Amino acid sequence: GENVEQHPSTLSVQEGDSAVIKCTYSDSASNYFPWYKQELGKRPQLIIDIRSNVGEKKDQRIAVTLNKTAKHFSLHITETQPEDSAVYFCAASRSNQGGKLIFGQGTELSVKP
Amino acid sequence: GAVVSQHPSRVICKSGTSVKIECRSLDFQATTMFWYRQFPKQSLMLMATSNEGSKATYEQGVEKDKFLINHASLTLSTLTVTSAHPEDSSFYICSARDGTSGRARSYNEQFFGPGTRLTVL
Repeated sequence: GENVEQHPSTLSVQEGDSAVIKCTYSDSASNYFPWYKQELGKRPQLIIDIRSNVGEKKDQRIAVTLNKTAKHFSLHITETQPEDSAVYFCAASRSNQGGKLIFGQGTELSVKP
Repeated sequence: GAVVSQHPSRVICKSGTSVKIECRSLDFQATTMFWYRQFPKQSLMLMATSNEGSKATYEQGVEKDKFLINHASLTLSTLTVTSAHPEDSSFYICSARDGTSGRARSYNEQFFGPGTRLTVL
């Protein structure tokens, strides 16, 4: 079945450093790749997404890259701040499956001041 | 953005009882709603996909007779956990996809509810 692998499971960085989280997906028909930030006990918040016809997308300090051939995509956070500390999830979906999301295992990011 | 609500936010029940969780899209019509379960320090696991007016599609390993899903209108879906047991204790989150207004940034974008913390004693 479909599968999304996410690494690392935990990531600790100093404030101001960059953080990179990587995901690989198994379903080559996947065409939508969102990233979510989830704080403890709260709902996931969409922070950036990318479609399969685009290789890279940037929104201020956050960027996502997609390599369709290798079936992997990455989240890049620059100039990290303590408020970036949370659990981040990648996901993949394809339009012809009703848009259901398959989530990665999550990365707990800790930004130390 | 589009708003999804869930009720209740927390529920504690005794083993063997049934619990109903509501998921509402407040300012858009949700053609599709999804139900997820999240155990502590784990990822979101899709339980089922529901389309308004039709039967839900359950993921492999999810018991459809235990987790009853009803999507009676374009703004409301309900999940009923029947004969709940302590192992059903979890964080249940719904999401909805806006297939009509174009408010979503992408056709596949989902809007999540705030979640329901279920504790079965």
